[in-house]
Amino acid sequence: DAGITQSPRHKVTETGTPVTLRCHQTENHRYMYWYRQDPGHGLRLIHYSYGVKDTDKGEVSDGYSVSRSKTEDFLLTLESATSSQTSVYFCAISPPGEETQYFGPGTRLLVL
Amino acid sequence: TQLLEQSPQFLSIQEGENLTVYCNSSSVFSSLQWYRQEPGEGPVLLVTVVTGGEVKKLKRLTFQFGDARKDSSLHITAAQPGDTGLYLCAGVLDYKLSFGAGTTVTVRA
Repeated sequence: DAGITQSPRHKVTETGTPVTLRCHQTENHRYMYWYRQDPGHGLRLIHYSYGVKDTDKGEVSDGYSVSRSKTEDFLLTLESATSSQTSVYFCAISPPGEETQYFGPGTRLLVL
Repeated sequence: TQLLEQSPQFLSIQEGENLTVYCNSSSVFSSLQWYRQEPGEGPVLLVTVVTGGEVKKLKRLTFQFGDARKDSSLHITAAQPGDTGLYLCAGVLDYKLSFGAGTTVTVRA
């Protein structure tokens, strides 16, 4: 296993509330990614990070923000959750110089 | 709009049969990856193909990368129930992945 964990694993929240998902790695890799997975869409990149405090947007970044204050942690925040953000969220890490990504176990988020 | 189109979306076959999954794009990628995902888990890399025309084999799985590096296929010979899962292709560009929607494969015993 790549040493990547996500918390929480499951969350139910209400529309309009803020939600933060955490991705933690023990590999000290520079690249970290957040994806969402929805039926019929595969995985879509939300945000990614290429180092501490260095982040950039993916293809579906609206409504999401990220922060990376330490190499090992990459946080995804939904400032005001909407029902359209109900999804399964995956974090991934990538070793230096490699294009392979190793995925965490996912967080299942339900926004009511 | 999906950059990578996978077909078919669903595939159900009997144990011992062969199957092929296709991944097509109008974009050129530096490489293409195939992942397999089990329910409740994250995707796990099966293979990366880099060179146009490349063929890689992983036991009963054969992966091909098109000459123009825009499309790929995954062929499973003599499928087994353990091959059941969601198969995802992903195009790689600048260390970012663009995924297809996936093909759900069910192999019946």
